[in-house]
Amino acid sequence: QQPVQSPQAVILREGEDAVINCSSSKALYSVHWYRQKHGEAPVFLMILLKGGEQKGHEKISASFNEKKQQSSLYLTASQLSYSGTYFCGTGPYSSASKIIFGSGTRLSIRP
Amino acid sequence: EAGVAQSPRYKIIEKRQSVAFWCNPISGHATLYWYQQILGQGPKLLIQFQNNGVVDDSQLPKDRFSAERLKGVDSTLKIQPAKLEDSAVYLCASSRGGPQETQYFGPGTRLLVL
Repeated sequence: QQPVQSPQAVILREGEDAVINCSSSKALYSVHWYRQKHGEAPVFLMILLKGGEQKGHEKISASFNEKKQQSSLYLTASQLSYSGTYFCGTGPYSSASKIIFGSGTRLSIRP
Repeated sequence: EAGVAQSPRYKIIEKRQSVAFWCNPISGHATLYWYQQILGQGPKLLIQFQNNGVVDDSQLPKDRFSAERLKGVDSTLKIQPAKLEDSAVYLCASSRGGPQETQYFGPGTRLLVL
């Protein structure tokens, strides 16, 4: 089952914060976050493997609530370089052999 | 460390023609993935190899798509015959081991079927 991402798109001014959510209908083992700029390959941001764990990457962090089967990506004091489409990929317990990507959240940062 | 290499970068063909894509993963990466990404959507896994064995090909349209990874290194994905709905970016990714490892993506091949 494909995870559901929200919002589908968001527009921010430079310096503002954003939250992107990723929800699954299945029990999760892992959540993977990637960013893809237009015309480029997805770039890895982080993997979360434990419930409630929080990870950080520069001013980007994420949480993983295993009980709620969801993850949130937090972008703090957004920069122009943060623009792109953010994908979450979920690794369900039932199928540990692959991750399934959501349809993405398009983030646009304006000066 | 060299990244994942893919070729060609762009391909335009007519429907019913055949096409092949090539991928060379990061050296030492045992797992190789082929994804299809339709415009505006997330990558959809077509096939996953562990060394030269297939781990998952449940979403590969086997009547027209085929893939191989001889010698457990580089891989080719073929479409024969192509349909209009095959227009997409085909991404190759590799990782050191299982799906919980970081996947590194190549630049992709953009296919347009006319």
